[in-house]
Amino acid sequence: ETGVTQTPRHLVMGMTNKKSLKCEQHLGHNAMYWYKQSAKKPLELMFVYNFKEQTENNSVPSRFSPECPNSSHLFLHLHTLQPEDSALYLCASSQDREDTQYFGPGTRLTVL
Amino acid sequence: QKEVEQDPGPLSVPEGAIVSLNCTYSNSAFQYFMWYRQYSRKGPELLMYTYSSGNKEDGRFTAQVDKSSKYISLFIRDSQPSDSATYLCAMMAQKLVFGQGTRLTINP
Repeated sequence: ETGVTQTPRHLVMGMTNKKSLKCEQHLGHNAMYWYKQSAKKPLELMFVYNFKEQTENNSVPSRFSPECPNSSHLFLHLHTLQPEDSALYLCASSQDREDTQYFGPGTRLTVL
Repeated sequence: QKEVEQDPGPLSVPEGAIVSLNCTYSNSAFQYFMWYRQYSRKGPELLMYTYSSGNKEDGRFTAQVDKSSKYISLFIRDSQPSDSATYLCAMMAQKLVFGQGTRLTINP
């Protein structure tokens, strides 16, 4: 679990708040990912970064804004979220785009 | 039709039983097949990784891939209460696609 860390582990926010999720990988990987995991649904890929460049955005609403300042850090900025955005947000990394992905512990987000 | 189908369960078996978890898929472009285990309040951790059709064994775990039937399985022998978790199948073509996950409970 120490390979990919995420903070905070739990977050409760109102619909008008602005908050950020942080992910850090200590594996020397080049690709990083944000996933959303909701109850009774498969993991949903949100964003992909490869060598700090965003290579995929799976039609994610603009209230989610990713940032990748370097290949070890990934952020997800949140603003004006909806209650249906409550979920577990998982960060993952892989050596390259088509390699095995390693996951962080996730941030449990609740939007009131 | 979903690209990957996985029975969400829940599945409950007694300790020591052999567990069989399965996924079917529709995209013949999938080349890499994985099983992840996810404990409550944790992220998924990679359990098994296979590329070709056939079996791959690691301790009590065996991953099986049948590309002709588009069907993959994970077998757990001598199941333990510590195996209780959600098991996610995942498959890779250009991107990783996950099944819904099967929630497994091993009863002492």
